[in-house]
Amino acid sequence: IMMTQSPATLSVSPGERATLSCRASQSVSTNLAWYQQKPGQAPRLLIYGAATRATGIPARFSGSGSGTDFTLTISSLQSEDLAVYYCQQYNNWPYTFGQGTKLAIK
Amino acid sequence: EVQLVESGGGLVQPGGSLRLSCAVSGFTFRQFWMSWVRQAPGKGLEWVANINQDGSEKYYVDSVKGRFTISRDSAKNSLDLHVNRLRAEDTAVYYCARGNYVFDLWGRGALVAVSS
Repeated sequence: IMMTQSPATLSVSPGERATLSCRASQSVSTNLAWYQQKPGQAPRLLIYGAATRATGIPARFSGSGSGTDFTLTISSLQSEDLAVYYCQQYNNWPYTFGQGTKLAIK
Repeated sequence: EVQLVESGGGLVQPGGSLRLSCAVSGFTFRQFWMSWVRQAPGKGLEWVANINQDGSEKYYVDSVKGRFTISRDSAKNSLDLHVNRLRAEDTAVYYCARGNYVFDLWGRGALVAVSS
């Protein structure tokens, strides 16, 4: 299954909302996770089951969607949210990731 | 502290081999599936292999089948990835990750560079 993320790069001002999209080439139900990778760091799990926040993830991060279209929303962007965000499907083996959305702080 | 620490990366010639290791601490290793995920320079993430709790089930992405072998040692709290017949396209940071299909804990990664 191919995962396509858009946009490739997104610039958002602090305090504003950021909306990242992920589309699957076929339905993955809600078997979709989001990861955050800050520069020089390992990825961190944000969301699984399309909408469930992982332990310790701030409430400003939320996920939605099912089937083929998914969204990660950061409600009020903080400077520390500068990172690349990846979606990943785990409905079908092999599990596949999107190419990432780079989030820049305007 | 809950952590995963990879070791064993390095520069290797095409056709060569390496053993990557992941030292686990802070949680009950034998209760979890474990995986390896890689990231080529400047690229996205690619799941490589995973192994179940007792090592009886192992799965690989097609591009590494027959060349890579995942294993674990619960007595040593260690996860390994033996990488053989390496190709230039295997150049990547290899991450050890906890989980079967959702990865909730990651190591910092080990760089494998394949070049002559």
